[in-house]
Amino acid sequence: QQPVQSPQAVILREGEDAVINCSSSKALYSVHWYRQKHGEAPIFLMILLKGGEQKGHDKISASFNEKKQQSSLYLTASQLSYSGTYFCGTEDGSARQLTFGSGTQLTVLP
Amino acid sequence: DAGVIQSPRHEVTEMGQEVTLRCKPISGHNSLFWYRQTMMRGLELLIYFNNNVPIDDSGMPEDRFSAKMPNASFSTLKIQPSEPRDSAVYFCASSFRGSGNQPQHFGDGTRLSIL
Repeated sequence: QQPVQSPQAVILREGEDAVINCSSSKALYSVHWYRQKHGEAPIFLMILLKGGEQKGHDKISASFNEKKQQSSLYLTASQLSYSGTYFCGTEDGSARQLTFGSGTQLTVLP
Repeated sequence: DAGVIQSPRHEVTEMGQEVTLRCKPISGHNSLFWYRQTMMRGLELLIYFNNNVPIDDSGMPEDRFSAKMPNASFSTLKIQPSEPRDSAVYFCASSFRGSGNQPQHFGDGTRLSIL
């Protein structure tokens, strides 16, 4: 079952913050976040496994809610290099593969 | 370390021709995934292998598509006969399935155009 990502697109100025959400109708085993730049491969950002987990590096972090049905990706003080399409990939307990959301296109302007 | 290697990077061919896409996963990875990406349908899983064995091919569109993994370091995705609607970017990804959850590493993709 494909997770629902929101928003579909967001435009920011350098230094602004953004939040991207990923929701499922049932509890998940894990959530993976990827960023893809135009014409390139998706690049892995982070995995969340535990309900209530928060993790991050630099100014990009993510959370996984207690019920393990929603994850959010936080980009703070955005940089031009953050532009791209962000995908969440979710794994449920029965299927050991990822189902990707439709993506959120993030554009950071100078 | 070498990442996932896909070939060719670009393929343009006429409808009805056979197309073979190739993938070399990262050494030591035991899971391999084939994805197709289009604007309309996004990133779709076609098939995945674990320890060279196909585990789930429910995403393969139809009998024209087939995938093999003869050994741990090589996989192919074949389309025969090809159709214009098969035009897309095809990604191969690999990961290590052990006791914990590991990320998938994607190759640069093959951009396929069927005329």
